[in-house]
Amino acid sequence: GIQVEQSPPDLILQEGANSTLRCNFSDSVNNLQWFHQNPWGQLINLFYIPSGTKQNGRLSATTVATERYSLLYISSSQTTDSGVYFCAGISTNAGKSTFGDGTTLTVKP
Amino acid sequence: DSGVTQTPKHLITATGQRVTLRCSPRSGDLSVYWYQQSLDQGLQFLIQYYNGEERAKGNILERFSAQQFPDLHSELNLSSLELGDSALYFCASSSAGRGPYEQYFGPGTRLTVT
Repeated sequence: GIQVEQSPPDLILQEGANSTLRCNFSDSVNNLQWFHQNPWGQLINLFYIPSGTKQNGRLSATTVATERYSLLYISSSQTTDSGVYFCAGISTNAGKSTFGDGTTLTVKP
Repeated sequence: DSGVTQTPKHLITATGQRVTLRCSPRSGDLSVYWYQQSLDQGLQFLIQYYNGEERAKGNILERFSAQQFPDLHSELNLSSLELGDSALYFCASSSAGRGPYEQYFGPGTRLTVT
């Protein structure tokens, strides 16, 4: 199956700072999503973004499918942004979902 | 609230036992996916069903089985439980069988095997 690499694995920010999270895929995917797992374990959909750019408030995401990577931007971070951010994709060939190991974000007040 | 429901929320059982986890997809969604999230292995895709049929298989153990019923709810059966099966089990649903469609996750069932 495909490999999904997320970076950085851990990120500590002061409130108000901006950050960029990256997701690389070893093969082409046709279903790419970003999730936020909050401290209670809930997986919250952030973006469904197989290609292009989307924005939702302070968050935006860009996927360059031809180069097999996606970026998640968080601006003016808040303590409630803390948690683990996952990207996930479904391989074009195999149809199996694969998650990255996540980026653990800690936003300090 | 994603619209995906899972029961029970928590389950504590002993090694060697068998349990059943239940998932109801969002209204109108035909696909159900099961995932296991453990501390040492992250989020692992187990299996996908589409309208009652198995569509894709991931790292699902032979001791585990799943099915999707005519009303589209799904059950994941875990048998001969081992300590290492302790994990958070998620169900997700989407509107189609094989990408590219957005998956929505339920709140999960936390399984503890003692």
